[in-house]
Amino acid sequence: AQSVTQPDIHITVSEGASLELRCNYSYGATPYLFWYVQSPGQGLQLLLKYFSGDTLVQGIKGFEAEFKRSQSSFNLRKPSVHWSDAAEYFCAVGARTGGYNKLIFGAGTRLAVHP
Amino acid sequence: EADIYQTPRYLVIGTGKKITLECSQTMGHDKMYWYQQDPGMELHLIHYSYGVNSTEKGDLSSESTVSRIRTEHFPLTLESARPSHTSQYLCASSEGQGFAEAFFGQGTRLTVV
Repeated sequence: AQSVTQPDIHITVSEGASLELRCNYSYGATPYLFWYVQSPGQGLQLLLKYFSGDTLVQGIKGFEAEFKRSQSSFNLRKPSVHWSDAAEYFCAVGARTGGYNKLIFGAGTRLAVHP
Repeated sequence: EADIYQTPRYLVIGTGKKITLECSQTMGHDKMYWYQQDPGMELHLIHYSYGVNSTEKGDLSSESTVSRIRTEHFPLTLESARPSHTSQYLCASSEGQGFAEAFFGQGTRLTVV
């Protein structure tokens, strides 16, 4: 069955430090992969997506993610974190089952940023 | 900023009441979705629609119902609210075929007392 695992429930980093959020997926076919961010009291906003091609994808707000098929991973990175990056981050895989397309989300990683 | 709106943002209601959560989008998207999100948990798809008069249940069983009479409007209804319905409900929409970007509303946080 398709699934997404985000091993880290909470991560705390200092402002200016680098960040990597982990995501592992289980999906039989070529995956469509997404990272969304949810700020407190807000809906989800798409950071970036991978469909095919270059395995390193650039997103908004200085984020990037790398697709590694051999590791079934799609980790999100940012070289220098800003206080405004504090939020919850969700990895998702697009799957087609029962004749319809859907997104399967991980449980999320809550990021705290220390000044 | 995505043009998808949910009302109310917060709702506290007594057991047994009928409630409707509103979701509207102005982007002309054919596909709309309802997700349920509990704290620290995954988002679970409870309903989706691929167009007017098309509604289907998602992965997570839900006692709620939805309707899609107009492209821009996708309300969710609970005929008799129970404390087990306490959760956050997120509406989303997307366009085109395949896995186009989904735009999310700000959510409705429902508490049933």
